[in-house]
Amino acid sequence: SQTIHQWPATLVQPVGSPLSLECTVEGTSNPNLYWYRQAAGRGLQLLFYSVGIGQISSEVPQNLSASRPQDRQFILSSKKLLLSDSGFYLCAWSVRRDTEAFFGQGTRLTVV
Amino acid sequence: AQTVTQSQPEMSVQEAETVTLSCTYDTSESDYYLFWYKQPPSRQMILVIRQEAYKQQNATENRFSVNFQKAAKSFSLKISDSQLGDAAMYFCAYLISSGSARQLTFGSGTQLTVLP
Repeated sequence: SQTIHQWPATLVQPVGSPLSLECTVEGTSNPNLYWYRQAAGRGLQLLFYSVGIGQISSEVPQNLSASRPQDRQFILSSKKLLLSDSGFYLCAWSVRRDTEAFFGQGTRLTVV
Repeated sequence: AQTVTQSQPEMSVQEAETVTLSCTYDTSESDYYLFWYKQPPSRQMILVIRQEAYKQQNATENRFSVNFQKAAKSFSLKISDSQLGDAAMYFCAYLISSGSARQLTFGSGTQLTVLP
């Protein structure tokens, strides 16, 4: 069966420090991959999606970037974190010809 | 742009009773998918139920069912025989297809409290 792993679960980082959140999927190949951000008490906002290795699309201008170095690995990064980057980040995957997305357990990022 | 609206930020229901969560969406597409996701305190997003727009029959999954009104662009979730474990934030979502990527648009959520 397919599983998705996302880490770390929580992270506290100072302003100006770099960020790297990692997400991997097991049990499937060539998935669509997504990074979402959820502000407190609000819905999910799509940040990036990827349909293949090295193929990244950004939905909103921001301080973050994403990379897909391997088929089932998706990384969310920042060179210098801002206070406004605090939030809950969720990685998700879907099968290309299928519909629903499956989510990781999320990372709670606090920038201090 | 597609939008998803959940007009009830909070709802409560007595254990064993039935509750309906509302969702409306705006789209010019004729073929799409709709979902309800549940986010418990653990914050993991869990798929509850899905509906294909081309199907007239409302989807059901055990105690969960939807009332899909395509003309009205309405997609409500009914939870029957509510249980304490149903307490969570519920998100309605709409799926668009852009090339080979499939992107979910989420509503702002409804926090459901189940009262013992």
